[in-house]
Amino acid sequence: GDSVTQMEGPVTLSEEAFLTINCTYTATGYPSLFWYVQYPGEGLQLLLKATKADDKGSNKGFEATYRKETTSFHLEKGSVQVSDSAVYFCALSDNNDMRFGAGTRLTVKP
Amino acid sequence: NAGVMQNPRHLVRRRGQEARLRCSPMKGHSHVYWYRQLPEEGLKFMVYLQKENIIDESGMPKERFSAEFPKEGPSILRIQQVVRGDSAAYFCASSSTQPLPLAKNIQYFGAGTRLSVL
Repeated sequence: GDSVTQMEGPVTLSEEAFLTINCTYTATGYPSLFWYVQYPGEGLQLLLKATKADDKGSNKGFEATYRKETTSFHLEKGSVQVSDSAVYFCALSDNNDMRFGAGTRLTVKP
Repeated sequence: NAGVMQNPRHLVRRRGQEARLRCSPMKGHSHVYWYRQLPEEGLKFMVYLQKENIIDESGMPKERFSAEFPKEGPSILRIQQVVRGDSAAYFCASSSTQPLPLAKNIQYFGAGTRLSVL
């Protein structure tokens, strides 16, 4: 079945460092891809999405490009802030069936 | 437009008691999903419901757990005879019934119910 694999954490960076969180997927169809963020004590919030190959999702300085040839949707940010500390989940959706990765915890230190 | 509402936010139960978790989807949404998140782990899908129907319950434990989404009122996740291993955060999400593909695939999450079993 469809699945998502994302890099294991935790990831610890200094403020203003470059961030990459890898995500690859397996799907039989043409899924939509998502990144969700979970701040401490809260639910998941949609960060960005892409619905077809070569689409780039972006929000709050984060970006991810839907790469069909490598079945990837890596999350990047050029300069992280302390407030970006959270758990990030990669997900795919085919119709109404959504699959999540295990999550990657990011800690940004001042 | 209110988001997905879950209550209670925190629930404490003793072993053997029942836990009832409620979820009201976003206005206009009739697809509801329940997930469980154990401490320091990712989200695990439990069940997917539409109004009055269970569509996919492949992630639900076979015993003690049940879910419903009645025609009127919130979706309920019910855990009977709770055990310590049921302690987790339970998240509800909803999605749109509109036929637009971009709208249909996005799930919106509630803040979760944190269940603690003593």
